[in-house]
Amino acid sequence: GENVEQHPSTLSVQEGDSAVIKCTYSDSASNYFPWYKQELGKGPQLIIDIRSNVGEKKDQRIAVTLNKTAKHFSLHITETQPEDSAVYFCAPYSGAGSYQLTFGKGTKLSVIP
Amino acid sequence: DTAVSQTPKYLVTQMGNDKSIKCEQNLGHDTMYWYKQDSKKFLKIMFSYNNKELIINETVPNRFSPKSPDKAHLNLHINSLELGDSAVYFCASSQGLAGGSGYEQYFGPGTRLTVT
Repeated sequence: GENVEQHPSTLSVQEGDSAVIKCTYSDSASNYFPWYKQELGKGPQLIIDIRSNVGEKKDQRIAVTLNKTAKHFSLHITETQPEDSAVYFCAPYSGAGSYQLTFGKGTKLSVIP
Repeated sequence: DTAVSQTPKYLVTQMGNDKSIKCEQNLGHDTMYWYKQDSKKFLKIMFSYNNKELIINETVPNRFSPKSPDKAHLNLHINSLELGDSAVYFCASSQGLAGGSGYEQYFGPGTRLTVT
């Protein structure tokens, strides 16, 4: 199965600064790389995803970059705001036939006003 | 309109009891999932159903039994509850099977189960 490591486990930034969360995976056949955001008391929600034929994808203040050779992908949040405070999960697709996402252990991001 | 709903939101029960959690999605999706999130926020897949057929059955005790009466519903029944079953259980759905096609998973609000 897929081994997924996510770092850091906690991250505190000042409002307006940038935040970067890294996810490392083991299955070289993985081809879909989403990031989910979980706010307190809610279920996770997809915020951005990338496929293996793309190196970077942006959506306003968030971006995801992928390095397939090194088997890692990262979430970048710029100009952080208090509402970005949440737990973020990477969830790479494990590869053909497994039909499941393997979630990382999560990163708790705190944005300090 | 709530896309994925779960009932109840909170469930407090004693060891040894049997309980059920219900899940419904109104997105017209073919695939539904149950996840368990422990106190450290670790999310782990338990089951996945595609068109009412069991696709994924991770290593969970057979005290846990999912039931999918139709594509819009996936219920979770738990027998002989144990202290270690205390967690938040999330139902989710996606248009198709996860992964290669990049189908987004939509999560319900969760059911916090406390076993005393």
